[in-house]
Amino acid sequence: GQNIDQPTEMTATEGAIVQINCTYQTSGFNGLFWYQQHAGEAPTFLSYNVLDGLEEKGRFSSFLSRSKGYSYLLLKELQMKDSASYLCAVRDRDYKLSFGAGTTVTVRA
Amino acid sequence: ETGVTQTPRHLVMGMTNKKSLKCEQHLGHNAMYWYKQSAKKPLELMFVYSLEERVENNSVPSRFSPECPNSSHLFLHLHTLQPEDSALYLCASSQDYARGPDTQYFGPGTRLTVL
Repeated sequence: GQNIDQPTEMTATEGAIVQINCTYQTSGFNGLFWYQQHAGEAPTFLSYNVLDGLEEKGRFSSFLSRSKGYSYLLLKELQMKDSASYLCAVRDRDYKLSFGAGTTVTVRA
Repeated sequence: ETGVTQTPRHLVMGMTNKKSLKCEQHLGHNAMYWYKQSAKKPLELMFVYSLEERVENNSVPSRFSPECPNSSHLFLHLHTLQPEDSALYLCASSQDYARGPDTQYFGPGTRLTVL
């Protein structure tokens, strides 16, 4: 099966920066996704990486290194509304999407 | 609002009951998915439909039975469930299956409790 690891919890202060790491071991690779999920709500799409490098989208950036099986999601200028679970998901050579268990980020005032 | 709706949002059922979960997508997508989300565990893919044909069935017990009557609707029929089946059941859709970015858009989920 696929193996996707990310930290369980992270805490940061409003206005700060937080980096959520994700490492993966999959059968082939066809893209990596980050989703945000607020408690009791649907996961919502944040970013997609298929080539190495950094993708920036406003306060959120996602980085991928395929050779290292590694990605991170960078959240800048943290706001209280960023408190949520962040899910890393990797698609394998058969286009099957596997998810990590999620990282719960708590933003404190 | 992601364009994917699910009903009911909450469901409590006994082990002998039969119930169905409904998912509808308003995005014109061709692929639909059922996932199970248990506390502190990764999302588990249960079923995938592409153009109304089932393309994946990940060793899901037969007490879960999916149905896809058209590309906009997906059902999950439940029968003689166990307490360990209590979880959040999420529906998702994507433009196409196994093609391009194929970003999945999720519904709000049905919180299922089996007594």
